[in-house]
Amino acid sequence: DAKTTQPPSMDCAEGRAANLPCNHSTISGNEYVYWYRQIHSQGPQYIIHGLKNNETNEMASLIITEDRKSSTLILPHATLRDTAVYYCIVRVTARQGAQKLVFGQGTRLTINP
Amino acid sequence: KAGVTQTPRYLIKTRGQQVTLSCSPISGHRSVSWYQQTPGQGLQFLFEYFSETQRNKGNFPGRFSGRQFSNSRSEMNVSTLELGDSALYLCASSTREGLETQYFGPGTRLLVL
Repeated sequence: DAKTTQPPSMDCAEGRAANLPCNHSTISGNEYVYWYRQIHSQGPQYIIHGLKNNETNEMASLIITEDRKSSTLILPHATLRDTAVYYCIVRVTARQGAQKLVFGQGTRLTINP
Repeated sequence: KAGVTQTPRYLIKTRGQQVTLSCSPISGHRSVSWYQQTPGQGLQFLFEYFSETQRNKGNFPGRFSGRQFSNSRSEMNVSTLELGDSALYLCASSTREGLETQYFGPGTRLLVL
């Protein structure tokens, strides 16, 4: 399974853009990159996903490099409520289309006032 | 639309007992996946069910099992509980197997004494 590497922790000032990097150098051509976040041991919350094009939604933007070996999640205007553990995940599709999410250790993002 | 619900939210058991956890997916979702989260191992995939059939299985011993009902609700069972089974058990649902986003429930926190 493709693995991801993320920095264990990051800090960001409130109101600034938070840029969270992820390395997935062994990703295969048909594997998607997903981002989830987890606040206080609640269930992970879906943020965004992409295959090879950059993506944007109401929560964040996802920038994927052309070789697909790394990506960056951007929270454009971070707030204190964005403090969480952020997981960059490669979704592996197994036989018959079955899927699973392979989680790494994530990045603990702290937004400072 | 209501999210993924899991019951019970908290549970305390003793070694050797068995436990059954329940997951109700988002209405219309037919795929249910289970994950275990511990401080040491992080989030790990247990299994996925679609149309009452197990489609994918993680690397867990046979003490961990699950099933899915015709209404897409799912249960997972852990027999002969060990101290190391103490964890947050998370359920995620998606509309179907394959290329669909998984949405997580709040989890069931299991403590084995």
